Amino acid sequence: GQQLNQSPQSMFIQEGEDVSMNCTSSSIFNTWLWYKQDPGEGPVLLIALYKAGELTSNGRLTAQFGITRKDSFLNISASIPSDVGIYFCAGQSVSSNTGKLIFGQGTTLQVKP
Amino acid sequence: DTEVTQTPKHLVMGMTNKKSLKCEQHMGHRAMYWYKQKAKKPPELMFVYSYEKLSINESVPSRFSPECPNSSLLNLHLHALQPEDSALYLCASSHRGQGSYGYTFGSGTRLTVV
Repeated sequence: GQQLNQSPQSMFIQEGEDVSMNCTSSSIFNTWLWYKQDPGEGPVLLIALYKAGELTSNGRLTAQFGITRKDSFLNISASIPSDVGIYFCAGQSVSSNTGKLIFGQGTTLQVKP
Repeated sequence: DTEVTQTPKHLVMGMTNKKSLKCEQHMGHRAMYWYKQKAKKPPELMFVYSYEKLSINESVPSRFSPECPNSSLLNLHLHALQPEDSALYLCASSHRGQGSYGYTFGSGTRLTVV
């Protein structure tokens, strides 16, 4: 089935450092979503992107919908310990009208105080 | 109200039991979803309801039976589950009958089958 390639798989960084992760797809997407998931909780939507080229910020988080519509990145600036968790990208293909999201495999972020 | 509420938060059931998971949203979303998630893996879609009608069943075994009584409620009935069905079950909802606007997840039900 359709897959998203999310990288890196994991990151271990020092508090205060900036973080960047990205997702790529072999097909064109019309939506990119970025979620953060804490252990035992459901994914929480961080940023939603609906237009190619769109650059959106949410506090220290910035995400962009790639011009080719096949990729997206998420940046976190000045990381803090509560940024720890698993970050998932998710998207909806232009060939789908069912609401089905395709998920990346996740990026596990650990922040050392 | 911008939440998707799932109950119970935790559930332990035997392989011969019948139980139900419940999901509720009051955001006016007309699409609701059930996902299954194993540890450190992405959520896997199970079912999609669009305007209270089942629109997608991702080849889920019949021991899982979804139900959408109205536009705000979604249930997942469980019967004769196997230990490998233990997972976090997530409910989600979104705007429109089909589409990803406002895609919101609940906190999930942690299911353990013994």
